[in-house]
Amino acid sequence: GAGVSQTPSNKVTEKGKYVELRCDPISGHTALYWYRQSLGQGPEFLIYFQGTGAADDSGLPNDRFFAVRPEGSVSTLKIQRTERGDSAVYLCASSLGGHRSSTDTQYFGPGTRLTVL
Amino acid sequence: KQEVTQIPAALSVPEGENLVLNCSFTDSAIYNLQWFRQDPGKGLTSLLLIQSSQREQTSGRLNASLDKSSGRSTLYIAASQPGDSATYLCAVKPGRSGGSNYKLTFGKGTLLTVNP
Repeated sequence: GAGVSQTPSNKVTEKGKYVELRCDPISGHTALYWYRQSLGQGPEFLIYFQGTGAADDSGLPNDRFFAVRPEGSVSTLKIQRTERGDSAVYLCASSLGGHRSSTDTQYFGPGTRLTVL
Repeated sequence: KQEVTQIPAALSVPEGENLVLNCSFTDSAIYNLQWFRQDPGKGLTSLLLIQSSQREQTSGRLNASLDKSSGRSTLYIAASQPGDSATYLCAVKPGRSGGSNYKLTFGKGTLLTVNP
């Protein structure tokens, strides 16, 4: 079956612009996660959705970052007034059960590489 | 706060060699530990997941061990091949007493190059 997909694969924008990054999770997965991976670093947690609601957004760096998942499937990560420091690979993952299962495995998408000039 | 460290940061070996990648974590209150592979421009592929109650997991030429009390895991790759070249990341999932059990904490990874 299809895995997690993310669009676009690459996004180049100018400082101050608004961007949206999209994630299509695996069908039937109730849990969805966004991570950010800066160059030479491991991915860092941003936000976790269980269904339509953001169960934990503690990893979002500031209020310029926002994410939605209105129908409990596709999610969009939105970044306002982008800054050069936002340049990174944004990874999305989905899983079947989320916090409810210790054996729950997160499946990752290919990521969106965001470059802010 | 959980911290995950991976050593070495980079490793280059000739084809056919057996090798070990190391991962250490500071908080032993984990649910499980996962090893991932990341190819350039690609997402993460899960290789092995070890539950906190387990000591090791094997898949083909890969064997991962976990010593939870000492905060260590190793990934052993037997008879390495050029196709094994990638970045290998380890990640821990916290136990309930350690915080949100869905939030993976990653190391920075080990960049492996297997030369033909």
